[in-house]
Amino acid sequence: LAKTTQPISMDSYEGQEVNITCSHNNIATNDYITWYQQFPSQGPRFIIQGYKTKVTNEVASLFIPADRKSSTLSLPRVSLSDTAVYYCLVGDAGGGADGLTFGKGTHLIIQP
Amino acid sequence: EPEVTQTPSHQVTQMGQEVILRCVPISNHLYFYWYRQILGQKVEFLVSFYNNEISEKSEIFDDQFSVERPDGSNFTLKIRSTKLEDSAMYFCASSATGGDVTYGYTFGSGTRLTVV
Repeated sequence: LAKTTQPISMDSYEGQEVNITCSHNNIATNDYITWYQQFPSQGPRFIIQGYKTKVTNEVASLFIPADRKSSTLSLPRVSLSDTAVYYCLVGDAGGGADGLTFGKGTHLIIQP
Repeated sequence: EPEVTQTPSHQVTQMGQEVILRCVPISNHLYFYWYRQILGQKVEFLVSFYNNEISEKSEIFDDQFSVERPDGSNFTLKIRSTKLEDSAMYFCASSATGGDVTYGYTFGSGTRLTVV
């Protein structure tokens, strides 16, 4: 299982774009990169998943360079409600029986 | 958007008592999971369940834990004799094919278990 490293915390302000980078030097060929968001006392919520290049959905973009040893979650124009813990996970997208392995995540704090 | 529903939201129990945590996964999902999160710590995998049997379990999921899908909709986690260290948030999750690329795993809002 590829180990991930991400900043423990980040601060930003409303209306700014926030980029959270995750390092995963030992990513395997068939691994996908998935980001989850967790608010206090709630379960993690899937944000976005990708394999290479760029993926965009209605809430975020995910940038993955050619070597796939890192990835960047980009949140456009954040608001106070984006204050949460963000987890970067690397593994088989098929998942199946294997459970997800969460790290400590990045605690993002958005200020007015 | 479909949801995973967990009940109760908060359970207080005495040490040594049995508790059952209940979950209703998304109806067309095939894989079901339990995770726990001790206050201030990481989300930890407990067990996965597919085709009416346990697929994988972690070291945490010892003999005092069991899971069951008693009917077509509910998925339960039983802790036989609770200990103080079982106090945590317990999250149920489900997925369509063990990790749908579009939606990932869907987690419930959790049950906060407090053992006193």
